[in-house]
Formats: sequence, C-alpha cells, structure tokens
Amino acid sequence: KAGVTQTPRYLIKTRGQQVTLSCSPISGHRSVSWYQQTPGQGLQFLFEYFSETQRNKGNFPGRFSGRQFSNSRSEMNVSTLELGDSALYLCASSLVAGSPEEIQYFGPGTRLLVL
Amino acid sequence: AQSVTQLGSHVSVSEGALVLLRCNYSSSVPPYLFWYVQYPNQGLQLLLKYTSAATLVKGINGFEAEFKKSETSFHLTKPSAHMSDAAEYFCAVSDPSTGNQFYFGTGTSLTVIP
Repeated sequence: KAGVTQTPRYLIKTRGQQVTLSCSPISGHRSVSWYQQTPGQGLQFLFEYFSETQRNKGNFPGRFSGRQFSNSRSEMNVSTLELGDSALYLCASSLVAGSPEEIQYFGPGTRLLVL
Repeated sequence: AQSVTQLGSHVSVSEGALVLLRCNYSSSVPPYLFWYVQYPNQGLQLLLKYTSAATLVKGINGFEAEFKKSETSFHLTKPSAHMSDAAEYFCAVSDPSTGNQFYFGTGTSLTVIP
C-alpha cells in the first residue's frame, strides 16, 4: 500500500505570494492532519480534516487554510506569505478521526522557503 | 490542553551504549502516548505507542518505552545504540478532550558517536 504523498517536495516563494500544498493520504484513510515544523517551534498542529470537514484547528492566522476533497486528498493554502512561514509542512493521515489510539502516518513533507 | 516536554534537545551516546530519551506529559485523563522518529529529509515514522494496555511498550528497531503514571513520564530507551539510530525523536500525546488532537514535544536530536 502506498504511503502518504506530498507535492511538491520543495518550494521557493517570495513574500506576499500564496502557495498551495497537496497531500494524498494512504488509500482508505479518511483523516488528514497538517503540521508546520520549524527548528524553533517544533511540530505545530495546523488543522485536521475528516470527510471533507475541518474537525480541529490549531492556533494559526487565517492566512492558513485547508480543504479536503471527496477522495480524501487534502490541500493547504497559505496566502500573503511571510518570511516566518518558511518551514517543513507535514501531512499525516489516519484511518478514522477521533480515536485516541489511532496512528498517524506521515508524508515526507513539503519544504517551503520564503524569500 | 495537553503539553509534552522532552528534556534535552540534543543527546549524544556512544555506539553500543544505552539510549535514554525523556518525555513528560501533562494530562488530567489517561493519555495515549506515542514516540515518532524522523530521519533527515523524511517525515515522521511511528516507533511505538501506549494505549493503556501494558505499561512497557516495545516498538520497532529495539526501542521500548515505559509508561509511569505517577511520574507522568513515557521515556524511550534502547539497550545498545546503533549508528543508524541517529535521528530526531518526538514524543506525542493524543488528547481526548480536544477530539484526540496530537500534541508533539519539541524533539530530541540523537547523535551516536562511533
């Protein structure tokens, strides 16, 4: 079974631009979560989607948004990019949402550099 | 909300020595705890998880962790370090009170010295 895939793997943008990142979960998984990883802050939760609905949202500004499609693929969008948005963005999928012991399977991440 | 504390952002051990990575959590309800490993330029991979069964949990690659409720700890150990263990390790907790949102520690970078 193929793992979680994320595209693109690397991205360079300039301040003020917007960016869209894509995540394809493991086949059959319906929950997708997004995280931002930076050296100073570690892994920070952005949001989680299940069955095309946002279940949870982390403490990020409204410039960060996401959505999930009927095939469980998910996209996240960052508008008006800032230098501080440079990070590794990780996507994780799980079979269901809301189960405390559910394992999250992570993709390789998209590394975003904002100049 | 949950919090996870990993003591020591960098740990160095000699090859063959004991690996001990510390994790403490805050929780008012029985938590579900996880250890993930991240190799350079890769995503996170699950090492092991605790889900209120046995307090000593065995994972992949010879790692294990012990859940100690009295100490609110979930430290990760491996009896003998291997060069391939060099990576970033993250402790995480799933919080039922927030829809089982995951909270990660800030990570511990493990260096193995030959």
